Amino acid sequence: GAVVSQHPSWVICKSGTSVKIECRSLDFQATTMFWYRQFPKQSLMLMATSNEGSKATYEQGVEKDKFLINHASLTLSTLTVTSAHPEDSSFYICSASAPGRGYEQYFGPGTRLTVT
Amino acid sequence: AQSVTQLDSQVPVFEEAPVELRCNYSSSVSVYLFWYVQYPNQGLQLLLKYLSGSTLVKSINGFEAEFNKSQTSFHLRKPSVHISDTAEYFCAVSVNQAGTALIFGKGTTLSVSS
Repeated sequence: GAVVSQHPSWVICKSGTSVKIECRSLDFQATTMFWYRQFPKQSLMLMATSNEGSKATYEQGVEKDKFLINHASLTLSTLTVTSAHPEDSSFYICSASAPGRGYEQYFGPGTRLTVT
Repeated sequence: AQSVTQLDSQVPVFEEAPVELRCNYSSSVSVYLFWYVQYPNQGLQLLLKYLSGSTLVKSINGFEAEFNKSQTSFHLRKPSVHISDTAEYFCAVSVNQAGTALIFGKGTTLSVSS
C-alpha cells in the first residue's frame, strides 16, 4: 500500500507560539504533497501544493508567511503555523502523490490543532 | 476551474435500506472523480475512483458509483447499508493530470440507524 503519516495527531498550543506538523510518506517517494484544512463538519480546503525541492504554491487567501511549508525530501513535508491564534484551530490534513501511482492521493490521518 | 456539488448535506437511512449520495461536478476539461469516506476524527480513505474506462466503478464494501458525463454526475450508491457505513462522504474531482490537487464537495453525512 501507500501509507502517509502525520505527527503529531493532536496538539494544543498557546496563542502566539508556532507549531510544526510533519507529513511523511512511509513506503513511497512523494513528489507532490498537498496540505488541506478542514473546519468542523465542513469540507477540506486546499491550502497549498508542495513539490519536492521547490517553493510551495499557496491557494488564494492563504497567508504564506503564516503557514510555512517545506518539502525538503521526497518523504517529508512540514507545515509550520507561525504565531498561532485561536482562529487557526482546525484539522490539518496532508496528502501525497507520486508518478507511478497513478492519480491517487494518499491521505494522512490528520492533525488537530487547538490554539488557546 | 472545477467545482463539486454534493446535493445532500445529510442522509438518514435505516439499516439494510438502499442509499444514494449525489454528486455533480463542473469542469471545462476532463476530470478524474473520487469518493472518499471519513470516520469521526480520522483522515480520508479512498472509497472508489473513476479515471477512465467503464463508467461503473465498485468498491470492495458494496458501494458503487457511475460516471455520467452528459449529466456531469458521479452518484454513490449502495443497495443495503450497515450501521458501520455511518460516516462523512466526500466527492472530489481533479483534472486528469498527475500532481494536481483535489477539489472537494462539502460532504454528505450518512447516518444509518437500526
